[in-house]
Amino acid sequence: QVQLQESGPGLVKPSETLSLTCTVSGDSISSYYWNWIRQPPGKGLEWIGYIHYSGSTKYNPSLKRRVTTSVDTSKNQFSLKLSSVTAADTAVYYCARQSYDPSPFDYWGQGTLVTVSP
Amino acid sequence: SYELIQPPSVSVSPGQTAIITCSGVKWGDKSACWYQQKPGQSPVLVIYEDNRRPSGIPERFSGSSSGNTATLTISGTQAMDEADYYCQAWDSSLVVFGGGTKLTVL
Repeated sequence: QVQLQESGPGLVKPSETLSLTCTVSGDSISSYYWNWIRQPPGKGLEWIGYIHYSGSTKYNPSLKRRVTTSVDTSKNQFSLKLSSVTAADTAVYYCARQSYDPSPFDYWGQGTLVTVSP
Repeated sequence: SYELIQPPSVSVSPGQTAIITCSGVKWGDKSACWYQQKPGQSPVLVIYEDNRRPSGIPERFSGSSSGNTATLTISGTQAMDEADYYCQAWDSSLVVFGGGTKLTVL
């Protein structure tokens, strides 16, 4: 059974960089497309972008300028960095898998709340 | 910008049929998906490629499309189906989500 688990600081100061890691178990990360999706409290879902194990990426144009992703196949992990955060970046951040591009998100992590506050 | 429009809320009585729409879908070689999200949980894929169900999703969930609108239908709605539902599609290979619909089973 494929499982995804997000990890990282739950509190980030404004103007700093948010950093999260998703650890994949039950399958190799050396396939598929690995995504980040966020959900502000009480609001809807917003796709951030994906990284393929090969290193290719695709990002939401509204966030592209601030987003960096990476993949570590040796650890079966992929990561997200979001720079220059503001309170508007406060959200539950999910990692999720796509089997190919485009395809639906078939596995999701449990999500981690990141709060941007001084 | 590309938007998928869903009704904010839908109410249904137990045993009845719930219909949730998603308008503004751009069709091509990509189809709409639907996710169910219960409070405090991650979204779960319930319909993909317009009307296919992943393993483990009950048959009472079905999908369809007409024109620029995708529709999620829940037949014989149960109390456990009360949740937020999100449609999702693509715009030039970029992922777009609808705003979500809160389904209340009265």
